[in-house]
Amino acid sequence: AQSVSQHNHHVILSEAASLELGCNYSYGGTVNLFWYVQYPGQHLQLLLKYFSGDPLVKGIKGFEAEFIKSKFSFNLRKPSVQWSDTAEYFCAVNAATGGFKTIFGAGTRLFVKA
Amino acid sequence: DGGITQSPKYLFRKEGQNVTLSCEQNLNHDAMYWYRQDPGQGLRLIYYSQIVNDFQKGDIAEGYSVSREKKESFPLTVTSAQKNPTAFYLCASRREWGTGELFFGEGSRLTVL
Repeated sequence: AQSVSQHNHHVILSEAASLELGCNYSYGGTVNLFWYVQYPGQHLQLLLKYFSGDPLVKGIKGFEAEFIKSKFSFNLRKPSVQWSDTAEYFCAVNAATGGFKTIFGAGTRLFVKA
Repeated sequence: DGGITQSPKYLFRKEGQNVTLSCEQNLNHDAMYWYRQDPGQGLRLIYYSQIVNDFQKGDIAEGYSVSREKKESFPLTVTSAQKNPTAFYLCASRREWGTGELFFGEGSRLTVL
């Protein structure tokens, strides 16, 4: 069965610090990978996605993620966080062929201190 | 603007009562989903629907029911059989079946008193 594991449930950083949120998935086939973000009081929205090609994908607001197939990982990074990045971040995966179910990780709550 | 509308945003219910959460989309998406969000557990899939008049159970379907009579509508009923119904419920849709990102509504928070 598919599963997604996010390494940290809570992360606290100061502004300008670098961010890396870990995500590992369990699935034997080809996958599509996503990071979603939920800002306080807002709906979940897509941050970035990987379907194929360059394993380093760039998303909105300066975020990027790297797909490492051998490690079943899709870690999210940002070189310098801002207070406005305070949010909950979810890693998600679905099967690339006929994958009707998207499986989410438990989420990581990021708090950025001004 | 296209999007997903969920209603109500907040709902209180007494134990033993059924309640229906509305989800409407004007994105012309075929696939629709219901997730439940609990702190520390992420999003868990309740039900999903590929096309009109068809739906499938997700990972935590017990105590819930859905219908898909129209492409744009996918209401969720939380029945009295759901043992722990207090949660945040999210409706989503997807443009292409099997691929592509999910588009989410703003959610409905249900509290059982």
